[in-house]
Amino acid sequence: DIQLTQSPSFLSASVGDRVTIACRASQDISNYLAWYQQKPGKAPQFLIYAASTLQSGVPSRFSGSGSGTEFTLTISSLQPEDFATYYCQQFNSYPRTFGQGTKVESK
Amino acid sequence: EVQLVESGGGLEQPGRSLRLSCAASGFTFDDYAMHWVRQVPGKGLEWVAGLSWNSDSMAYADSVKGRFTISRDNAKNSLYLHMNSLRAEDTALYYCAKERTFGSWTEGYGFDAWGQGTMVTVS
Repeated sequence: DIQLTQSPSFLSASVGDRVTIACRASQDISNYLAWYQQKPGKAPQFLIYAASTLQSGVPSRFSGSGSGTEFTLTISSLQPEDFATYYCQQFNSYPRTFGQGTKVESK
Repeated sequence: EVQLVESGGGLEQPGRSLRLSCAASGFTFDDYAMHWVRQVPGKGLEWVAGLSWNSDSMAYADSVKGRFTISRDNAKNSLYLHMNSLRAEDTALYYCAKERTFGSWTEGYGFDAWGQGTMVTVS
């Protein structure tokens, strides 16, 4: 099974900060990676697919990059509504594993 | 508007069975693979099972393989998860999720719609 490791697990940041979250795959997954945002008590929201393509309706301050085994999610200027937990998920093979999550908290 | 509504959760004893349902609307259900994802409150997401648009292909997490069965009824726009031999560690919020890309199965591009989840407690 492909393992996904996110770093950091927790991140303290302020509004306006540039935030970067890493996701490392245990083997080459090409660009078959998606990112989600989840707020407490809510279902995950789909942000990015194919590692770098923004889902329709997602603000342009979100971006994704990477291929192979190394991926990043970047929020260019953190907004109040962006404090949440972020997950990566691989779509190269089954099982469709998730990273353990990165919680972005207010500093 | 795409909508996924899960039902069937509740409190069940270890060793017993439960069937979850997911009612889909707002899209052509039989064009897309569908999945179940679970989340223990306060913990991360765990993919549980997936089923191709035509039910020809399915996959399971090792943690549920042999105990859970995913199925769908395209005529009823519904997805199901039959959960047998329940264990305490199956306690979680169970989400139904839609594959983003028409007809995809082997590789994929994300889950672009999620339900609000149905809570399963095994105790």
